[in-house]
Amino acid sequence: AQTVTQSQPEMSVQEAETVTLSCTYDTSENNYYLFWYKQPPSRQMILVIRQEAYKQQNATENRFSVNFQKAAKSFSLKISDSQLGDTAMYFCAFGTNAGKSTFGDGTTLTVKP
Amino acid sequence: GAGVSQSPSNKVTEKGKDVELRCDPISGHTALYWYRQSLGQGLEFLIYFQGNSAPDKSGLPSDRFSAERTGGSVSTLTIQRTQQEDSAVYLCASSAQLAGGGKQTQYFGPGTRLLVL
Repeated sequence: AQTVTQSQPEMSVQEAETVTLSCTYDTSENNYYLFWYKQPPSRQMILVIRQEAYKQQNATENRFSVNFQKAAKSFSLKISDSQLGDTAMYFCAFGTNAGKSTFGDGTTLTVKP
Repeated sequence: GAGVSQSPSNKVTEKGKDVELRCDPISGHTALYWYRQSLGQGLEFLIYFQGNSAPDKSGLPSDRFSAERTGGSVSTLTIQRTQQEDSAVYLCASSAQLAGGGKQTQYFGPGTRLLVL
């Protein structure tokens, strides 16, 4: 069974600064996918970024980037130049070709003006 | 459709009543998921449908919960004899499956907020 752990229930950051959200996972699989999802207060969950485990290069989407450390089973999310609209709950998730995903408990991020 | 839709958006019911929650996935998506999210909490996996395969029901919390997916598209989550602890947001998601395998991103609906009085 896979587990996903987000050790930071809440975090805050000043607008325009950088923040890193942590995620670790445990699996015996070799081929898998990792995701960060964002759930703003309006509640609709959307994908922020995804990483295929077989790719060594860290995924980047504009201000969002990941630090994927496969050996350490770590998958942190870095948000650069934080904006007020980044305030949300962030979920780290693990998925395999079998389909079912495992989500962490989430980190609530508040961006302060 | 343009995205995953769910209905109703809000549902208030009395303890002991049955409720049905509906999910319309993105057209062409073969995988469909149901999750439960209590206030401010993470996602609890309930059930997963993939094409014509038998669904993965391993997350259903009790036999009061069941789900169907008709014609590989619309899905209905049914909760019988609702209890107050069933109060939560129920999220549906769908994803495409690449021909050669591979897990695609899940696209979430807005959820149904269920309140059992």
